[in-house]
Amino acid sequence: EVQLVESGGGLVQPGRSLRLSCAAAGFKFEDFSMHWVRHVPGKGLEWVSGITWNSGSIGYADSVKGRFTISRDNAKYSLFLQMDSLRPEDTAFYYCGRRRWGGIDVWGQGTTVTVSS
Amino acid sequence: DIQMTQSPSSLSASVGDRVTITCQATQDIRKYLNWYQHKPGKGPKLLISDASKLETGVPSRFSGSGSGTEFTLTISSLQAEDFATYYCQYYDDLPLKFIFGPGTKVDIK
Repeated sequence: EVQLVESGGGLVQPGRSLRLSCAAAGFKFEDFSMHWVRHVPGKGLEWVSGITWNSGSIGYADSVKGRFTISRDNAKYSLFLQMDSLRPEDTAFYYCGRRRWGGIDVWGQGTTVTVSS
Repeated sequence: DIQMTQSPSSLSASVGDRVTITCQATQDIRKYLNWYQHKPGKGPKLLISDASKLETGVPSRFSGSGSGTEFTLTISSLQAEDFATYYCQYYDDLPLKFIFGPGTKVDIK
């Protein structure tokens, strides 16, 4: 079964760091670009970051550029998001997703990040 | 930078209604446009890719059209399971970037 499972979310104080992980299964991970997308309940979806299959191309939303770092380990079928200098406005539900051609066709169930003192 | 807008921001409809949602881009994005359905507590579902390609397993009552700066998602006959929020999304590879529209919430009249 094709599956993505996020972990690493939690409650963190402003200015601190958190590292999200996404474990992939059921497909050849190294063949796909991967992305992080977040959702604040009551607000819209926001693309956070993406990385191509070989880490050759990486992109970030302006709101997280310089603070978040995306990476992947193809041998371990894993995607990561290192989140530094967290702000209250980073509080959201974070999803990882697999990109096939244009769109993200497989999504995880999400993990919650709360930034609060 | 390219911005995406959607209209309406919300709508109320009944089962069986035809529903149309519009997405506009501030610049020509050719057909680099996807549509998603999102329900609370779940990952979004990809419905349409490249403006008009129906994803495998998505009911044929969903359709997409458009190119350039104006795009449309149509649900030909709304079903109970279609009440959700719908997002358009532009993508680019050089540089790598995705931009979501603000969403359209479809709820029960």
